[in-house]
Amino acid sequence: EVQLVESGGGLVQPGRSLRLSCAASGFTFDDFAMHWVRQAPGKGLEWVSGISWNSATVAYADSVKGRFTISRDNAKNSLYLQMSSLRTEDTALYYCAKDPQPMYSSGPDYWGQGTLVTVSS
Amino acid sequence: QSALTQPASVSGSPGQSITISCTGAWSDVGRFGLVSWYQQHPGKAPKLIIYEASKRPSGVSHRFSGSKSGNTASLTISGLQADDGADYYCCSFAGSGSFVFGTGTEVTVL
Repeated sequence: EVQLVESGGGLVQPGRSLRLSCAASGFTFDDFAMHWVRQAPGKGLEWVSGISWNSATVAYADSVKGRFTISRDNAKNSLYLQMSSLRTEDTALYYCAKDPQPMYSSGPDYWGQGTLVTVSS
Repeated sequence: QSALTQPASVSGSPGQSITISCTGAWSDVGRFGLVSWYQQHPGKAPKLIIYEASKRPSGVSHRFSGSKSGNTASLTISGLQADDGADYYCCSFAGSGSFVFGTGTEVTVL
């Protein structure tokens, strides 16, 4: 059974940094691309970032480009999102999601339950 | 990276069919045709119900079907049931490893 468990969320002041982690199990982690998707309270889904199976291809939404960095450690079956220069508009539930392909397909097939990031002074 | 356009809400009576549209651009929906649809109940993570515009994952009801024409993808739910009441989102590959989600549609079963 595919399991994705996010951690690292919390309350952080504007301008500070936070690192999210996602522990994956139930599938061969290094066979698939991975994503981070966020959902602000009461709002829709927003794709944040994606990384291919071998980390060769990474991509970011314009709203986070230059501030967020996605990475993965295939030896630890883990996905990360380093977030810096956080803004109040980054407040959201952050989901870790698996892609069904090594590079990219039409979107994630499995999702974690999310970790909440609140940016506030 | 503009969000794909979906109607804010769609409603139908039990047993009826409804269709949700997802309008993008040539740079995403039109060019690649790599569109997925997700169902999200309140407080839950999204669930994949359609991928590659028209394919259904195993275990997803045959009442859900997808299609694409030009820059617009569509999700049809036939034989509407109470549990279909949820939010629905489309998602398209937009090139260079990036993706874009739709604005979301709230489905109400009357």
